[in-house]
Amino acid sequence: AQSVTQLDSHVSVSEGTPVLLRCNYSSSYSPSLFWYVQHPNKGLQLLLKYTSAATLVKGINGFEAEFKKSETSFHLTKPSAHMSDAAEYFCVVTEGNAGNMLTFGGGTRLMVKP
Amino acid sequence: DGGITQSPKYLFRKEGQNVTLSCEQNLNHDAMYWYRQDPGQGLRLIYYSQIVNDFQKGDIAEGYSVSREKKESFPLTVTSAQKNPTAFYLCASSTTGWNSNQPQHFGDGTRLSIL
Repeated sequence: AQSVTQLDSHVSVSEGTPVLLRCNYSSSYSPSLFWYVQHPNKGLQLLLKYTSAATLVKGINGFEAEFKKSETSFHLTKPSAHMSDAAEYFCVVTEGNAGNMLTFGGGTRLMVKP
Repeated sequence: DGGITQSPKYLFRKEGQNVTLSCEQNLNHDAMYWYRQDPGQGLRLIYYSQIVNDFQKGDIAEGYSVSREKKESFPLTVTSAQKNPTAFYLCASSTTGWNSNQPQHFGDGTRLSIL
């Protein structure tokens, strides 16, 4: 069985400072991992994905994430926050035998202060 | 541009009424999905379809029904049996296959409220 835990429900940063959104996963098989972003009243947009290639994955809008198997983590980072980054972020896992079925974390709301 | 279109954006339901949410995609994806999102929570899977004329229940299918008569379309009906339908509903699609590392693409959602 697969599961995802986002360790912080809310994160607040100042504009221009680094962003760290934490995600831990549990998976019986080799997982694929994704980060999605959701702005208010919108659908989910894919930020980046890990699919057993490079462990450091670069995504859109300056975000990146590092897959650490030993720590079962897939934390999302950005060197410098922008006001437009304020949104809800979801860490998502799927397994090779799950037929593309996704398991979502509970989400982390990122707030960016001027 | 290819994408997923959900309509309407906002929908209101009266007690005892069935309502249907539309989802259309032009990405040529085989698989389509319906999720429910409640405030401050992640997404929960209602129904999914891996191929035309076939669909499967997700984690919270009770009170909902779907059809998949065309590859492009996957409408969701919220029936009167669903006692707490107020939520944000998201439709998604993806390619399928043994290699399941393909991401899902999402529409912009429909917000359903009870009158």
